[in-house]
Amino acid sequence: AQSVTQPDARVTVSEGASLQLRCKYSYSATPYLFWYVQYPRQGLQLLLKYYSGDPVVQGVNSFEAEFSKSNSSFHLQKASVHWSDSAVYFCALSIFGGSALGRLHFGAGTQLIVIP
Amino acid sequence: EAAVTQSPRNKVAVTGGKVTLSCNQTNNHNNMYWYRQDTGHGLRLIHYSYGAGSTEKGDIPDGYKASRPSQENFSLILELATPSQTSVYFCASGDAAPAWGIDTQYFGPGTRLLVL
Repeated sequence: AQSVTQPDARVTVSEGASLQLRCKYSYSATPYLFWYVQYPRQGLQLLLKYYSGDPVVQGVNSFEAEFSKSNSSFHLQKASVHWSDSAVYFCALSIFGGSALGRLHFGAGTQLIVIP
Repeated sequence: EAAVTQSPRNKVAVTGGKVTLSCNQTNNHNNMYWYRQDTGHGLRLIHYSYGAGSTEKGDIPDGYKASRPSQENFSLILELATPSQTSVYFCASGDAAPAWGIDTQYFGPGTRLLVL
């Protein structure tokens, strides 16, 4: 079975600092990986996705993520955070084939708090 | 970007009552999904659909039914609501072909349901 773990329920950083939000996955093959962001009282918005190729993927708002097959990880990074980045971030995976094509499996989410 | 709307945005129901949550998408996506979001669990898949007339069970379908009467509309039905179904419900749509299996999903704003 596949699963996603986000080990940090909450991360606090100062504005202008760098950021890494961790995501570990469990799946026997290479999954398809996503990062979504949820601002207060809103739905989820796609930040970036990884299907194959270059393990570093660029997303919106200067976010990027690096896929590591050896570590089963897909960590989200940003060089300099802004207070408006405060939100909940979800890592998710999808697998190719199987009985439920396209469905997403989500981690529990990481709440990011940016201190001005 | 896909436009996904949900109604109502907030709902208070009584135990044993019937609740219908509605979702509408305007970009002609084939696939639609219903998730619930609870603290510590991220989003969990309840039901999904690959097109009008089809519904499939997700990870936590017990106590829920789904209906996809048209390409645009996907409803989630709680025939006998219970307090354990108090949650935030998200609808999503995506357009991946089943043969490919990768589906970038676009989410609605959510419905907050309180069952007393």
